[in-house]
Amino acid sequence: AQKVTQAQTEISVVEKEDVTLDCVYETRDTTYYLFWYKQPPSGELVFLIRRNSFDEQNEISGRYSWNFQKSTSSFNFTITASQVVDSAVYFCALSESRVASGSRLTFGEGTQLTVNP
Amino acid sequence: NAGVMQNPRHLVRRRGQEARLRCSPMKGHSHVYWYRQLPEEGLKFMVYLQKENIIDESGMPKERFSAEFPKEGPSILRIQQVVRGDSAAYFCASSHLDGGRGISEQFFGPGTRLTVL
Repeated sequence: AQKVTQAQTEISVVEKEDVTLDCVYETRDTTYYLFWYKQPPSGELVFLIRRNSFDEQNEISGRYSWNFQKSTSSFNFTITASQVVDSAVYFCALSESRVASGSRLTFGEGTQLTVNP
Repeated sequence: NAGVMQNPRHLVRRRGQEARLRCSPMKGHSHVYWYRQLPEEGLKFMVYLQKENIIDESGMPKERFSAEFPKEGPSILRIQQVVRGDSAAYFCASSHLDGGRGISEQFFGPGTRLTVL
């Protein structure tokens, strides 16, 4: 069975601080996909990134960066120089691979990030 | 380039009534997923559909809940004889088959907030 654990329920930082959100996953599949989604106070879910299990190269997109470590089954998310607009709930998710088909996402419980001015 | 559309955005029902939630996937997407988010919790998978087919309904409650994705028109999540415990946000997501990478990321609609009085 798949499982995603986001041990940090809430994190509070001051603007311009760097913050890392942890994500640990469990799966028996050798091929799988990892995702991060953002849920701002307005409630919608915003896709941030997708990684597949073959690609352990870390990725940077502006102030966002992701560290995928297959050896520790972790896919951590770092926001550099945080801003108030980064305040949201962040979800890590895992999907198995299905040939020529889609697959459901297993979500972590989410981390509420509050960035204070 | 419209995203995933869901309506209504807010739905209030009394116990025992029926709730019908609609989801129109992104253009070109043939895979639809429904997730439920209970208050203060993460998202839980309910059902995965392709046109006219239910592919995976392992997350659906056994009674009162049903889903369809007809050849024409939106996907419908139907909850019969609603109870207070059904109060939640219901999110629809869609994806397409990415021939190069397998499954694509899921894009979420804004959600329907169901309140059962």
